[in-house]
Amino acid sequence: ILNVEQSPQSLHVQEGDSTNFTCSFPSSNFYALHWYRWETAKSPEALFVMTLNGDEKKKGRISATLNTKEGYSYLYIKGSQPEDSATYLCASPGTGTASKLTFGTGTRLQVTL
Amino acid sequence: DAGITQSPRHKVTETGTPVTLRCHQTENHRYMYWYRQDPGHGLRLIHYSYGVKDTDKGEVSDGYSVSRSKTEDFLLTLESATSSQTSVYFCAIRDSSGANVLTFGAGSRLTVL
Repeated sequence: ILNVEQSPQSLHVQEGDSTNFTCSFPSSNFYALHWYRWETAKSPEALFVMTLNGDEKKKGRISATLNTKEGYSYLYIKGSQPEDSATYLCASPGTGTASKLTFGTGTRLQVTL
Repeated sequence: DAGITQSPRHKVTETGTPVTLRCHQTENHRYMYWYRQDPGHGLRLIHYSYGVKDTDKGEVSDGYSVSRSKTEDFLLTLESATSSQTSVYFCAIRDSSGANVLTFGAGSRLTVL
């Protein structure tokens, strides 16, 4: 079983704060790293798919970086808003195949006014 | 929403009874997945399919079977439900664009008494 870990487990920030979380994964046989956003009572939705070392992706106030050599990815949220409250999941297929996506347990972000 | 629907959305059953969850897609995607979501575990892969009649096990496949007799439908069966199978089950489909992004269904909440 691929070991994908996320930290912290949960995070509570105030509106306007910037924040970041970490996803670590095995660096050997790296194939891709996915980030998903999962709002309560909804389904996970894809944010980014990253494949190249040094990749940086951005979507509005959310961005992500990838370091495949050391096996980690950071997700950043600039100027957090209450609508950013969600669980952020990372996932990797590992083992050089795209077939099985293994998810981390997620970072639960709560943004309050 | 992408063309993926799960049924039933909610089910309560008793230990020892058989249960089948259905995932239906209208996207003609080759890959389909069943995950279960439990507190503290995130999303764990049960089984996946890479084509009609082609399936493989995930990390928590014990007690579950699947079938895919046509591209659009992926069935998950619990032959004899146990209380440990109380969970929320998510079906996902994978696009064929190369990004390998998963699109999730709305989830099926199963309670085994």
